[in-house]
Amino acid sequence: DAGVIQSPRHEVTEMGQEVTLRCKPISGHNSLFWYRQTMMRGLELLIYFNNNVPIDDSGMPEDRFSAKMPNASFSTLKIQPSEPRDSAVYFCASTLEWNTEAFFGQGTRLTVV
Amino acid sequence: KNEVEQSPQNLTAQEGEFITINCSYSVGISALHWLQQHPGGGIVSLFMLSSGKKKHGRLIATINIQEKHSSLHITASHPRDSAVYICAALPLGSNYQLIWGAGTKLIIKP
Repeated sequence: DAGVIQSPRHEVTEMGQEVTLRCKPISGHNSLFWYRQTMMRGLELLIYFNNNVPIDDSGMPEDRFSAKMPNASFSTLKIQPSEPRDSAVYFCASTLEWNTEAFFGQGTRLTVV
Repeated sequence: KNEVEQSPQNLTAQEGEFITINCSYSVGISALHWLQQHPGGGIVSLFMLSSGKKKHGRLIATINIQEKHSSLHITASHPRDSAVYICAALPLGSNYQLIWGAGTKLIIKP
């Protein structure tokens, strides 16, 4: 397996534009996490899916953020409209079960100008 | 006070030295993770442990549940070990919400 795959690796966009980040978890993993990493706040959990169902989205900053997992092999994180304070590295991670080792994607570095 | 504290924040050592990074936590946990983040940004899970000791190559992780303390050791350190090492605790009763340490930035000089 190629591991967790995220795209794009880098995204530069203008304030107000819609941004969509994509994640393909490891096949067979039933838990998927979206994290945001900034210098100020470190790693923050945005949303957790289990068996494609959003279990906890309390970390999603505001209504501008939304995440979907239409099937076991694909998830998206969308920001609309984007703002400069959204600039961060966004990681997707998947686990076989909730209490097993997490595998992270390479991250998407988002810059909103 | 953070619930997960790492020390030191920064560590610079010479190639070949034995490295120890510490992680203390104040809550009851079911597991503790050690992860590595390279300068390129990718995050790799090194260990997940709930008791005792685990070893993988030159890396050793230990945990003392009673003392609420874990250590990550690197033997015969090498410049390619230079990275940020992060510990994260899974509190009792939580299925997924990790409490993250701030990370230890390790630089190994040749």
